[in-house]
Amino acid sequence: AQSVTQLDSQVPVFEEAPVELRCNYSSSVSVYLFWYVQYPNQGLQLLLKYLSGSTLVKGINGFEAEFNKSQTSFHLRKPSVHISDTAEYFCAVAGANTGNQFYFGTGTSLTVIP
Amino acid sequence: DGGITQSPKYLFRKEGQNVTLSCEQNLNHDAMYWYRQDPGQGLRLIYYSQIVNDFQKGDIAEGYSVSREKKESFPLTVTSAQKNPTAFYLCASSFLAYNEQFFGPGTRLTVL
Repeated sequence: AQSVTQLDSQVPVFEEAPVELRCNYSSSVSVYLFWYVQYPNQGLQLLLKYLSGSTLVKGINGFEAEFNKSQTSFHLRKPSVHISDTAEYFCAVAGANTGNQFYFGTGTSLTVIP
Repeated sequence: DGGITQSPKYLFRKEGQNVTLSCEQNLNHDAMYWYRQDPGQGLRLIYYSQIVNDFQKGDIAEGYSVSREKKESFPLTVTSAQKNPTAFYLCASSFLAYNEQFFGPGTRLTVL
């Protein structure tokens, strides 16, 4: 089965500073990659996705991620965070060897400090 | 507005009782999914369905049951066989396999 590792469970960062949330997955076989954001007691909202093509993917709210096949990584970045970015962030992978299932990481809690 | 609705948002039940969580979507999606979320464990797949009257077990199906009698509805029953049912339950749907999944607002189930 596919596995997804989010290396940091909690990331505190000051407002207007850059942030990177790390995500690694276990297989380099053809995959589709996603980042979702979850605010407290709510469902997940898609930030961005990589299906094919350019390895740099831009999403909503100023976030972007880079697909690195050789390192099996899909790290999420934002050059300048805002208080409203405080939330839980989940990386997910799906692909030919996962059936029709998505596999989610355990999440990274981003806290933006004023 | 198109979307996914889950009801109720909060649910309390006594131990030993079965309980059914509702999930409805009006996005015309073919596939629907149920996830369980516990602190520090991310999302774990309970069941999924790609077409009406067909569904497959996910990683943690024991103690749960589902039905898919209509395309827009995918209710989840948490049975008394589920040993630790207190959790946040999320329903999702998608058009095709591997496309993005759209999530409902979730139901927080507390078993007393």
